[in-house]
Amino acid sequence: GAVVSQHPSRVICKSGTSVKIECRSLDFQATTMFWYRQFPKKSLMLMATSNEGSKATYEQGVEKDKFLINHASLTLSTLTVTSAHPEDSSFYICSGLGLVGTDTQYFGPGTRLTVL
Amino acid sequence: DAKTTQPPSMDCAEGRAANLPCNHSTISGNEYVYWYRQIHSQGPQYIIHGLKNNETNEMASLIITEDRKSSTLILPHATLRDTAVYYCIVRVVHSGGSNYKLTFGKGTLLTVNP
Repeated sequence: GAVVSQHPSRVICKSGTSVKIECRSLDFQATTMFWYRQFPKKSLMLMATSNEGSKATYEQGVEKDKFLINHASLTLSTLTVTSAHPEDSSFYICSGLGLVGTDTQYFGPGTRLTVL
Repeated sequence: DAKTTQPPSMDCAEGRAANLPCNHSTISGNEYVYWYRQIHSQGPQYIIHGLKNNETNEMASLIITEDRKSSTLILPHATLRDTAVYYCIVRVVHSGGSNYKLTFGKGTLLTVNP
Protein backbone atom coordinates (compact mmCIF):
# COMPACT_ATOMS: atom_id res chain seq x y z
CA GLY A 1 0.00 0.00 0.00
CA ALA A 2 0.89 3.66 -0.29
CA VAL A 3 2.98 5.25 2.48
CA VAL A 4 2.20 8.45 4.36
CA SER A 5 4.53 9.94 6.93
CA GLN A 6 3.98 12.54 9.63
CA HIS A 7 6.42 14.73 11.48
CA PRO A 8 6.83 15.08 14.35
CA SER A 9 5.45 11.89 15.86
CA ARG A 10 5.17 13.52 19.24
CA VAL A 11 5.31 17.15 20.38
CA ILE A 12 4.91 18.90 23.70
CA CYS A 13 4.40 22.65 23.74
CA LYS A 14 3.41 25.44 26.07
CA SER A 15 -0.02 26.98 26.03
CA GLY A 16 -0.23 29.90 23.62
CA THR A 17 2.40 28.67 21.20
CA SER A 18 1.84 27.38 17.67
CA VAL A 19 2.71 23.91 16.43
CA LYS A 20 3.14 22.75 12.85
CA ILE A 21 2.57 19.14 11.80
CA GLU A 22 3.73 17.87 8.42
CA CYS A 23 2.08 15.15 6.38
CA ARG A 24 3.87 13.67 3.40
CA SER A 25 2.87 11.09 0.82
CA LEU A 26 6.11 9.24 0.15
CA ASP A 27 5.39 7.07 -2.87
CA PHE A 28 2.32 8.61 -4.45
CA GLN A 29 0.92 12.00 -5.28
CA ALA A 30 -1.96 12.99 -3.03
CA THR A 31 -4.35 15.36 -4.74
CA THR A 32 -6.45 15.39 -1.61
CA MET A 33 -5.38 15.12 2.01
CA PHE A 34 -7.50 14.83 5.11
CA TRP A 35 -6.81 15.80 8.70
CA TYR A 36 -8.40 13.92 11.59
CA ARG A 37 -8.29 14.30 15.34
CA GLN A 38 -8.69 11.51 17.86
CA PHE A 39 -9.24 11.96 21.59
CA PRO A 40 -8.45 9.12 24.02
CA LYS A 41 -10.78 6.15 23.70
CA LYS A 42 -12.71 7.91 20.95
CA SER A 43 -12.93 7.38 17.21
CA LEU A 44 -11.36 9.53 14.53
CA MET A 45 -13.13 12.78 13.73
CA LEU A 46 -12.54 14.50 10.41
CA MET A 47 -11.34 18.07 10.80
CA ALA A 48 -10.78 19.22 7.24
CA THR A 49 -10.21 18.24 3.65
CA SER A 50 -7.53 19.91 1.58
CA ASN A 51 -6.94 19.81 -2.14
CA GLU A 52 -3.57 20.71 -3.58
CA GLY A 53 -3.38 24.38 -4.43
CA SER A 54 -6.73 25.39 -2.97
CA LYS A 55 -8.22 26.31 0.37
CA ALA A 56 -9.14 23.61 2.82
CA THR A 57 -12.74 22.69 3.57
CA TYR A 58 -13.38 22.50 7.30
CA GLU A 59 -15.94 20.35 9.06
CA GLN A 60 -18.61 22.00 11.12
CA GLY A 61 -17.31 23.16 14.47
CA VAL A 62 -13.64 23.24 13.45
CA GLU A 63 -12.12 26.71 13.63
CA LYS A 64 -10.28 27.45 10.42
CA ASP A 65 -8.31 30.31 11.96
CA LYS A 66 -7.06 28.05 14.71
CA PHE A 67 -6.21 25.03 12.57
CA LEU A 68 -4.38 26.37 9.53
CA ILE A 69 -3.98 23.90 6.70
CA ASN A 70 -1.68 24.31 3.73
CA HIS A 71 -1.48 21.83 0.85
CA ALA A 72 1.16 23.45 -1.32
CA SER A 73 2.28 20.38 -3.25
CA LEU A 74 1.04 16.97 -4.26
CA THR A 75 3.13 15.34 -1.54
CA LEU A 76 2.94 17.73 1.41
CA SER A 77 0.22 19.13 3.62
CA THR A 78 0.75 20.94 6.89
CA LEU A 79 -1.52 21.54 9.86
CA THR A 80 -0.65 24.41 12.17
CA VAL A 81 -2.36 24.56 15.53
CA THR A 82 -2.23 28.24 16.45
CA SER A 83 -2.27 29.53 20.01
CA ALA A 84 -2.56 26.00 21.32
CA HIS A 85 -4.39 25.31 24.58
CA PRO A 86 -4.55 22.17 26.73
CA GLU A 87 -7.89 21.21 25.18
CA ASP A 88 -6.11 20.95 21.81
CA SER A 89 -4.07 18.05 23.16
CA SER A 90 -4.96 15.12 20.95
CA PHE A 91 -3.77 12.60 18.38
CA TYR A 92 -3.69 14.23 14.95
CA ILE A 93 -3.75 11.95 11.91
CA CYS A 94 -3.54 12.79 8.24
CA SER A 95 -4.41 10.75 5.19
CA GLY A 96 -3.73 11.05 1.51
CA LEU A 97 -5.85 10.22 -1.49
CA GLY A 98 -4.17 9.40 -4.78
CA LEU A 99 -4.84 10.73 -8.22
CA VAL A 100 -8.00 9.94 -10.11
CA GLY A 101 -8.72 6.23 -10.13
CA THR A 102 -7.36 5.62 -6.66
CA ASP A 103 -10.27 5.69 -4.24
CA THR A 104 -8.45 4.64 -1.13
CA GLN A 105 -7.23 6.86 1.69
CA TYR A 106 -3.89 5.94 3.23
CA PHE A 107 -3.15 7.18 6.70
CA GLY A 108 -0.07 8.52 8.40
CA PRO A 109 1.16 7.20 11.76
CA GLY A 110 -0.25 10.17 13.68
CA THR A 111 1.17 12.99 15.80
CA ARG A 112 0.61 13.11 19.54
CA LEU A 113 0.23 16.74 20.65
CA THR A 114 0.40 17.63 24.32
CA VAL A 115 -0.19 21.24 25.32
CA LEU A 116 0.94 22.14 28.82
CA ASP B 1 -23.09 7.95 3.90
CA ALA B 2 -24.82 4.87 5.28
CA LYS B 3 -24.31 4.05 8.92
CA THR B 4 -22.66 0.80 9.97
CA THR B 5 -23.14 -1.35 13.04
CA GLN B 6 -20.37 -3.49 14.50
CA PRO B 7 -20.05 -5.44 17.76
CA PRO B 8 -17.93 -3.46 20.24
CA SER B 9 -15.53 -6.30 20.92
CA MET B 10 -14.56 -9.82 19.90
CA ASP B 11 -12.00 -12.38 20.95
CA CYS B 12 -10.13 -14.85 18.80
CA ALA B 13 -7.56 -17.53 19.46
CA GLU B 14 -4.19 -17.15 17.80
CA GLY B 15 -3.97 -19.17 14.59
CA ARG B 16 -7.74 -19.36 14.16
CA ALA B 17 -9.81 -17.40 11.69
CA ALA B 18 -11.28 -14.12 12.91
CA ASN B 19 -14.66 -13.24 11.41
CA LEU B 20 -15.73 -9.66 12.00
CA PRO B 21 -19.31 -8.79 11.07
CA CYS B 22 -20.70 -5.46 9.93
CA ASN B 23 -24.27 -4.42 9.24
CA HIS B 24 -24.96 -1.68 6.72
CA SER B 25 -28.64 -2.17 6.00
CA THR B 26 -29.14 1.29 4.44
CA ILE B 27 -26.26 1.01 1.99
CA SER B 28 -26.88 2.39 -1.49
CA GLY B 29 -25.91 0.81 -4.77
CA ASN B 30 -23.12 3.33 -5.30
CA GLU B 31 -21.43 2.85 -1.93
CA TYR B 32 -18.30 0.88 -1.19
CA VAL B 33 -17.65 -1.10 1.98
CA TYR B 34 -14.22 -0.28 3.38
CA TRP B 35 -12.33 -1.92 6.23
CA TYR B 36 -9.54 -0.29 8.18
CA ARG B 37 -7.88 -1.23 11.43
CA GLN B 38 -6.11 0.81 14.05
CA ILE B 39 -3.50 -0.66 16.31
CA HIS B 40 -3.10 1.24 19.56
CA SER B 41 -1.52 4.70 19.11
CA GLN B 42 -1.05 4.29 15.37
CA GLY B 43 -2.82 5.63 12.31
CA PRO B 44 -5.50 3.49 10.65
CA GLN B 45 -4.30 0.87 8.21
CA TYR B 46 -6.23 0.08 5.06
CA ILE B 47 -7.25 -3.57 4.82
CA ILE B 48 -9.66 -4.13 1.97
CA HIS B 49 -12.73 -2.76 0.23
CA GLY B 50 -15.48 -4.00 -2.05
CA LEU B 51 -18.62 -2.97 -3.87
CA LYS B 52 -20.61 -6.11 -4.70
CA ASN B 53 -18.29 -9.05 -5.15
CA ASN B 54 -16.27 -10.82 -2.49
CA GLU B 55 -12.68 -9.65 -2.35
CA THR B 56 -9.44 -11.19 -1.13
CA ASN B 57 -5.96 -9.79 -0.70
CA GLU B 58 -2.85 -10.71 1.24
CA MET B 59 -4.33 -9.43 4.48
CA ALA B 60 -7.93 -10.56 4.51
CA SER B 61 -11.08 -11.59 2.71
CA LEU B 62 -14.25 -9.56 2.47
CA ILE B 63 -17.56 -11.33 2.09
CA ILE B 64 -20.51 -9.14 1.10
CA THR B 65 -24.02 -10.59 1.23
CA GLU B 66 -26.03 -10.64 -1.96
CA ASP B 67 -28.38 -7.91 -0.74
CA ARG B 68 -25.28 -5.91 0.36
CA LYS B 69 -26.81 -5.19 3.74
CA SER B 70 -24.02 -6.83 5.66
CA SER B 71 -20.45 -7.97 5.26
CA THR B 72 -17.82 -10.02 7.07
CA LEU B 73 -14.11 -9.39 7.25
CA ILE B 74 -12.13 -12.59 7.59
CA LEU B 75 -8.59 -12.78 8.88
CA PRO B 76 -7.74 -16.38 7.99
CA HIS B 77 -5.02 -17.03 10.58
CA ALA B 78 -5.10 -14.40 13.31
CA THR B 79 -1.87 -13.49 15.08
CA LEU B 80 -1.25 -11.45 18.21
CA ARG B 81 -0.30 -8.51 15.98
CA ASP B 82 -3.83 -8.47 14.58
CA THR B 83 -5.14 -7.16 17.91
CA ALA B 84 -6.65 -3.80 16.94
CA VAL B 85 -9.86 -1.83 16.47
CA TYR B 86 -11.43 -2.75 13.14
CA TYR B 87 -13.59 -0.19 11.38
CA CYS B 88 -16.20 -0.98 8.77
CA ILE B 89 -17.01 2.15 6.76
CA VAL B 90 -19.39 2.78 3.92
CA ARG B 91 -18.33 5.43 1.46
CA VAL B 92 -20.07 6.76 -1.59
CA VAL B 93 -18.46 6.36 -4.99
CA HIS B 94 -18.27 9.90 -6.28
CA SER B 95 -15.80 12.20 -7.93
CA GLY B 96 -14.40 15.14 -6.06
CA GLY B 97 -12.14 15.12 -3.03
CA SER B 98 -14.68 15.92 -0.36
CA ASN B 99 -16.85 12.96 -1.31
CA TYR B 100 -14.05 10.60 -0.43
CA LYS B 101 -14.14 11.48 3.23
CA LEU B 102 -14.55 8.61 5.68
CA THR B 103 -16.81 8.63 8.71
CA PHE B 104 -15.42 6.43 11.46
CA GLY B 105 -17.73 4.71 13.93
CA LYS B 106 -16.62 3.01 17.12
CA GLY B 107 -15.43 -0.16 15.40
CA THR B 108 -14.80 -3.60 16.87
CA LEU B 109 -11.93 -4.21 19.24
CA LEU B 110 -10.52 -7.58 18.22
CA THR B 111 -8.33 -9.20 20.82
CA VAL B 112 -6.28 -12.14 19.65
CA ASN B 113 -5.36 -14.39 22.55
CA PRO B 114 -2.37 -16.76 22.72
